[in-house]
Amino acid sequence: DIQLTQSPSSLSASVGDTVTITCQASQDITNYLNWYQQKPGKAPKLLIYDAYNLQTGVPIRFSGSASGPLFTFTISGLQPEDIATYYCQQYEKLPLTFGPGTKVEIK
Amino acid sequence: EVVLLESGGGLVRPGGSHRLSCAASGFTFTNYAMNWVRQAPGKGLEWVSGISASGGGTYYAHSVQGRFTISRDTSKNTIYLHLTGLSPEDTAMYFCAKGDQPTVTTFEFWGPGTQVTVSS
Repeated sequence: DIQLTQSPSSLSASVGDTVTITCQASQDITNYLNWYQQKPGKAPKLLIYDAYNLQTGVPIRFSGSASGPLFTFTISGLQPEDIATYYCQQYEKLPLTFGPGTKVEIK
Repeated sequence: EVVLLESGGGLVRPGGSHRLSCAASGFTFTNYAMNWVRQAPGKGLEWVSGISASGGGTYYAHSVQGRFTISRDTSKNTIYLHLTGLSPEDTAMYFCAKGDQPTVTTFEFWGPGTQVTVSS
């Protein structure tokens, strides 16, 4: 199975800061990687698909990039409503797998 | 508007069986794969099972292979997850998720979830 490693596991940042989360796959997944946001007590929400593409209706402060096996998720200008846990997910191979999540808090 | 609504959660005894349902609306049901994803209390997300748009392909996580069965009813725009051989490790919120294409890949929209608790 493809393992996804996310870093950091949690972070605390101030409103307006740029926040970066990384996700590394245990093998090549091309760009078959998505990013989800899960707010407490809610279902996850798709933010970024295919590594780079912003899902319809998602604010442009969210972005994704890739460099080889390393994928990066960025929030440019953290907002209070961005408090959540963020997960990466690969679909290069079944079983589909998620990273362990990164909890983002406001400082 | 895409709407997914899970139902059927509850308290189940270890070793027991149960069936979850997910009613879908707001999109052409037969064009998209559908999935079940679960989240144990305080833990991360785990893909459980997926079914292709045609229903011809069904896929499972290793942890549930042979115990869970996914199916879809196009006349009711509903998918099901039949759970058997339940253990406390299956206690979780179970989410239904719509794919973004006919094959099992991405979780584009999610339902609010239904809680399954396995306990004696």
